[in-house]
Amino acid sequence: QKEVEQDPGPLSVPEGAIVSLNCTYSNSAFQYFMWYRQYSRKGPELLMYTYSSGNKEDGRFTAQVDKSSKYISLFIRDSQPSDSATYLCAMSAGSSASKIIFGSGTRLSIRP
Amino acid sequence: DAGVIQSPRHEVTEMGQEVTLRCKPISGHDYLFWYRQTMMRGLELLIYFNNNVPIDDSGMPEDRFSAKMPNASFSTLKIQPSEPRDSAVYFCASSWGGGRTEAFFGQGTRLTVV
Repeated sequence: QKEVEQDPGPLSVPEGAIVSLNCTYSNSAFQYFMWYRQYSRKGPELLMYTYSSGNKEDGRFTAQVDKSSKYISLFIRDSQPSDSATYLCAMSAGSSASKIIFGSGTRLSIRP
Repeated sequence: DAGVIQSPRHEVTEMGQEVTLRCKPISGHDYLFWYRQTMMRGLELLIYFNNNVPIDDSGMPEDRFSAKMPNASFSTLKIQPSEPRDSAVYFCASSWGGGRTEAFFGQGTRLTVV
């Protein structure tokens, strides 16, 4: 079993829809939770960063972390065609073993 | 800073040949990560360094893979001999503080082994 599980999609929604992306994980030591966005033929770029549990909002994007359920989510409101990309969740324990483990990524397409 | 720089951007090689991928991290970053990305397996961590020292190489798939970081501004990932199943996009990333901070990725090297 992978440490981080993510539905690979693909996911296609109309412009303006609310998008929900999710990941589950098995390692209870994870403390840092991130969402990266990757456009075609580019490297991933950090989109959202959360420490421990709770919510974080940045414009149209909201990240949620539920450590009790080992479940994290990314919500995109008023989705735009420019949001079409692959979204990868990522996690780290942030300790001396500071490796960053990624989910497999969800390919998202926003239809105009 | 120009960001993380990887070379080459594309590499096509024949099975059995040696392949060397190169990475220049962002100046001042103390962590360097090598990842491999495929459709089937997603983004897999191969190895990471802290202050030029390899910390965890448990993701390196076989002894055919090796990585070095001779100084703070340069790292290589070598595959010898290469096999068709090594075809993937290889990313280098660097950060300050390891998994507690943002990792900055290079553009990747698209490797095709025929």
